Formats: sequence, structure tokens, C-alpha cells
Amino acid sequence: DSGVTQTPKHLITATGQRVTLRCSPRSGDLSVYWYQQSLDQGLQFLIQYYNGEERAKGNILERFSAQQFPDLHSELNLSSLELGDSALYFCASSATGFGETQYFGPGTRLLVL
Amino acid sequence: QQPVQSPQAVILREGEDAVINCSSSKALYSVHWYRQKHGEAPVFLMILLKGGEQKGHDKISASFNEKKQQSSLYLTASQLSYSGTYFCGTELGSGGSNYKLTFGKGTLLTVNP
Repeated sequence: DSGVTQTPKHLITATGQRVTLRCSPRSGDLSVYWYQQSLDQGLQFLIQYYNGEERAKGNILERFSAQQFPDLHSELNLSSLELGDSALYFCASSATGFGETQYFGPGTRLLVL
Repeated sequence: QQPVQSPQAVILREGEDAVINCSSSKALYSVHWYRQKHGEAPVFLMILLKGGEQKGHDKISASFNEKKQQSSLYLTASQLSYSGTYFCGTELGSGGSNYKLTFGKGTLLTVNP
């Protein structure tokens, strides 16, 4: 158990819909990362937040957005969902956000039908 | 910018050794190694920072050759529990998008009895 929690564990929805994935970092960690993992794209970095501020952006689509709240939990919003958005979405956290261990949550498996 | 891992897959018998390589075309600040079992989250193994240090715990160790921008993960006297997909992740440095951790495509390691 990494100490990072993600909800929900599984999500099934239809194309065109919008979903919100939630992540609570390990106690004391200030940085949160979001990753997407699919068979064809592998493990891809989406976005990183540090203490409420966006720090780095990766291959995140414009239909996706995220934020980190004052209590440090984070949400990833996925809208206008397409079949290709079906994937495992991981959240990870670290203490300060650079050159250090990232602890991964169990992931949310999203299936878009 | 994605690091290149080799080999793509390796099959071992229990007790045999393996080396997994991770190469980048860019100067690296750090290399992270993770192991992921099917359907589970990636689990941190170790991190190597610029400076060419070698790290290890138990029978798994890694090195970072700064001149070649290459890291190698060494698994000795492999155990059945070592089976999984090994990912290297690289950070280019501090500032802006360099914060992001970019993962290789992974090396599938199978250890048979």
C-alpha cells in the first residue's frame, strides 16, 4: 500500500460523457502527478501539481483538465469522452516534486463504450 | 524524448541474471526504475541522480552513466517474484517541462521455475 488513494476503482461510461477521477496523496506529500496507461501508448505523463499550482504539463488533451485543492487532493476531469480514452489512470505523489520517488495509487480503470 | 529500453522482453529461469538498459538522447538529471505487475500500479525500485552513482538493494542494483546518458538495471539470482514489466523514467532537469517524468515502453521480464 503506497498511501495514495484513488477513486473510483472502475468507471464505465459512454462516449461524449464527462467523468471526474479523484486522488488523495500520501500524507505530507505536496506534489501530485497524473498518468495515463494504455496498451498502445504505454505509461504517459499528463500533468503535475505542486502545492496547488500546476508545475508541468505532458501529453494532456484539451478535453482533460485537472486541479489540486488546498487540502492537496487532486481531481482529473475528462470530458467529451472518446473510445480511445479508455485506459488506466494513475495518480502518484511525492514530497516536493523533483528528483525523488513517486508513489503510485492503485489506479482508476476507465472504460468508454 | 522518450527513453529507449532494451531488451523489450526477457525470459529467465530462477537464479539467472538479467540486465535491462535505458538510454536517452538528452542529458539526464535522474533515472527512475519501476516494476509493474499485470493489473497493478507501478512500484518504485530506485532512483539515480546525475553523478553516475550506483545503487542497489537486495539483489537488484542500477547504474547511471552520465557520459552515455544510459542507465542499467541489474537483477541477480532472479526470483519468481521479479516477474513483471520494468519501466525506466527519466527527468531532464529542473524548471518547466523538465520536471516531467518520461517513461520508456517497458521490458517484460518473465522468471520461470
